[in-house]
Parts: sequence; C-alpha cells; structure tokens
Amino acid sequence: EAQVTQNPRYLITVTGKKLTVTCSQNMNHEYMSWYRQDPGLGLRQIYYSMNVEVTDKGDVPEGYKVSRKEKRNFPLILESPSPNQTSLYFCASSLAGVLGYTFGSGTRLTVV
Amino acid sequence: TQLLEQSPQFLSIQEGENLTVYCNSSSVFSSLQWYRQEPGEGPVLLVTVVTGGEVKKLKRLTFQFGDARKDSSLHITAAQPGDTGLYLCAASSRLTFGEGTQLTVNP
Repeated sequence: EAQVTQNPRYLITVTGKKLTVTCSQNMNHEYMSWYRQDPGLGLRQIYYSMNVEVTDKGDVPEGYKVSRKEKRNFPLILESPSPNQTSLYFCASSLAGVLGYTFGSGTRLTVV
Repeated sequence: TQLLEQSPQFLSIQEGENLTVYCNSSSVFSSLQWYRQEPGEGPVLLVTVVTGGEVKKLKRLTFQFGDARKDSSLHITAAQPGDTGLYLCAASSRLTFGEGTQLTVNP
C-alpha cells in the first residue's frame, strides 16, 4: 500500500531532550515536507526537500533540523525541544509538487 | 511565502444545503490543490487544478480555478453530514496552505 509512515504517533517528552520523528514513504517520491498544525494558525511548513541532499527552510524552521540522505526517509530532529514545540506534526510527500501530496497520519508531540 | 486567504473560516449548515468556500491570493499559481482533513488525521488530497478557468467535479463537489490563476472555489451541492471536516486550499509545488474552512453539516 502506497503510504507515508510517521513514527511515533504520540510522544510526550521533557524540555531539552533531543528527539527524532521519523518519516518514510514507499512511493519513490522526490518531494517531501514537514508541517506543524496549531489551533488558529493552520498548517505551517517547517522544512521542505526536493530531492536527496536538497532541503530548504519553510516558514517556521527555528528549533528544527532535517536530513534527506535517501529518497524514502525524511526525519525531523528537535535538538532541544521546548514547550512551544508542542504541536501536531505532519510529514508529506509528492512525486511532483504540483500533482498533490500524500500525508502521514501525524505525530502529536507534547513537550513538558 | 505566498499568502492564501480562505473564507469563510467556519461554516455550519443543515443537511441538503449548498455551500461555497473561497480561496484567494494576490499571487499567480501554477497549480492549486484542495484537501480535506478529519480531526487528528492528515489532509487528504481532493483535487488539483492547473489551468486557468478549469472546472473539476468530484461527485457533489465542484472545484474551479480562476481565469487569472489567483483564486479558486469549492462548491458542495446538497451537503451531507459526511462532508463535515476542514477544507484546505494549498498552492505551488512547495504546498503553502490557507488557514482552512471548518465545515459542519448538521443532520
């Protein structure tokens, strides 16, 4: 089944403890992207990748890192999480951006 | 960042009514996409429009891309409770989203 898989689905962590949210797609898509969704603020892009080793900042990249060492994986790294990073995170991928994206099921992160 | 404005932000209607949601911008887009999102789940692509003036239909949903490719609309005919959800427009290959329209269809 063609899909974008995020893990974990839920995560509660403490301030300052490094964490990684994984994202993997099995559709050989070039484009991948990370978003956070907060009430009243909509979906905001964190980072974007057009291909392996090609990444670019989105609208809210501060406090996040990404890597794209292989086409299928696009992990999101929080080096030192803070409570303002508590949010619902989505990974998405696309063969060609204009054709539309497939989203993962989301990761609900709580930083205390 | 390309700014997309959706209206209305919230819409609550009765089953069987028709509705239209709008997505506007001052920028020209190569394409525009519409997604529907259920609570706690990822958005699901409904349609992509590419050509100015294009109209696409998906059962009771009709999508239109403006002639100048700066705006789009989503029209739902005879809304049903199953249409309830957050409707999002998104633009460009980098996928910048509007804030969405929360639709509630009451039985």
